[in-house]
Amino acid sequence: GQQVMQIPQYQHVQEGEDFTTYCNSSTTLSNIQWYKQRPGGHPVFLIQLVKSGEVKKQKRLTFQFGEAKKNSSLHITATQTTDVGTYFCALPNAGGTSYGKLTFGQGTILTVHP
Amino acid sequence: DAGVTQSPTHLIKTRGQHVTLRCSPISGHKSVSWYQQVLGQGPQFIFQYYEKEERGRGNFPDRFSARQFPNYSSELNVNALLLGDSALYLCASSYGPTGELFFGEGSRLTVL
Repeated sequence: GQQVMQIPQYQHVQEGEDFTTYCNSSTTLSNIQWYKQRPGGHPVFLIQLVKSGEVKKQKRLTFQFGEAKKNSSLHITATQTTDVGTYFCALPNAGGTSYGKLTFGQGTILTVHP
Repeated sequence: DAGVTQSPTHLIKTRGQHVTLRCSPISGHKSVSWYQQVLGQGPQFIFQYYEKEERGRGNFPDRFSARQFPNYSSELNVNALLLGDSALYLCASSYGPTGELFFGEGSRLTVL
């Protein structure tokens, strides 16, 4: 079945430092989504990437989809305390049944020290 | 506009009991999915319903069942609760069968 690896599991940074989380799939993807979950909260959609090599920016967040569409990254420039939370990549179902199913990565827990 | 609403927000049950969790999707959304999130892990897919039909089922035992009503709200039922069923149960809605998911706050179930 489809497997996803997300690294690192934890990242502790000082406020102002950069942060990157990586997501790798065992299969070629049609697209990939990223979600953020604040402590005690629920996942919130950040972005969907569709095209090979795609790079999208949202203020200090940069999302990248690999050329082979098997990996993706999320980079935060100059972290702030509001960036604290767990960042998940989510992969669409590889095929067959469960058309709308998303497979979530294990998540990267980001803590930011002021 | 109201987001995805779930009830109850917290509940405590004992082993062997049954639980029903409820979800109201965003108005106009026709797809409802259920996910289980155990502490420290990513959400795991349980079910998807689209246009009142089951469109997907994750790797969960038959003790888990769900349905979607004509108004697109949904229920998740879990029978014969086990300690390992303790988790945050998330409901997510979307307009179509795929795409961006809008999650509710979740129902936190504790099984004693």
